[in-house]
Amino acid sequence: GQNIDQPTEMTATEGAIVQINCTYQTSGFNGLFWYQQHAGEAPTFLSYNVLDGLEEKGRFSSFLSRSKGYSYLLLKELQMKDSASYLCAVRDWANDYKLSFGAGTTVTVRA
Amino acid sequence: GAVVSQHPSWVICKSGTSVKIECRSLDFQATTMFWYRQFPKQSLMLMATSNEGSKATYEQGVEKDKFLINHASLTLSTLTVTSAHPEDSSFYICSARPRDRVGEQYFGPGTRLTVT
Repeated sequence: GQNIDQPTEMTATEGAIVQINCTYQTSGFNGLFWYQQHAGEAPTFLSYNVLDGLEEKGRFSSFLSRSKGYSYLLLKELQMKDSASYLCAVRDWANDYKLSFGAGTTVTVRA
Repeated sequence: GAVVSQHPSWVICKSGTSVKIECRSLDFQATTMFWYRQFPKQSLMLMATSNEGSKATYEQGVEKDKFLINHASLTLSTLTVTSAHPEDSSFYICSARPRDRVGEQYFGPGTRLTVT
């Protein structure tokens, strides 16, 4: 199976930067995804990394190091609407290309 | 593009009855759809994977006779919770993998099921 670890909660101030770390162990790594989920809603896709390095998309960036089994999601210029749960998910070709999710990191943005 | 819909968005049913949830990919064809369940303050747990035209593959611990999945077309998968009980109350979310972009996966808005 996959062991996916991410912090449970993080708090930051509006306009600041927050970095959410995710570590994983998998036998057939085939990509790492980040999703945002607001309370009571389904996850929305944020980013996808399959090669090492940084992927930037506006205020959100995601980094991957396959050798370290490590990723982070960087949220810049935080806005109140960024308060949500952020899910790290890993796809494993040894598990039929299914996604396995971490428990999620609840980010609270304060004014 | 890449929109997935679910119907109903919420449903309340009595214990012992069955409930059907539909998942549709609106603007793409999906050979594979996934059904997840999420309890409050927990992450998504994969229940089953459905491939168009074949039987669903269930994750360990998920009763296939209780959670019936049908993937009749490239745009529609259904999950039927049979003989529902209060412990089946949860948030059920489907996702779909585009036929021509298998590296991607898009989620539906979810269905909140409450069994009384």
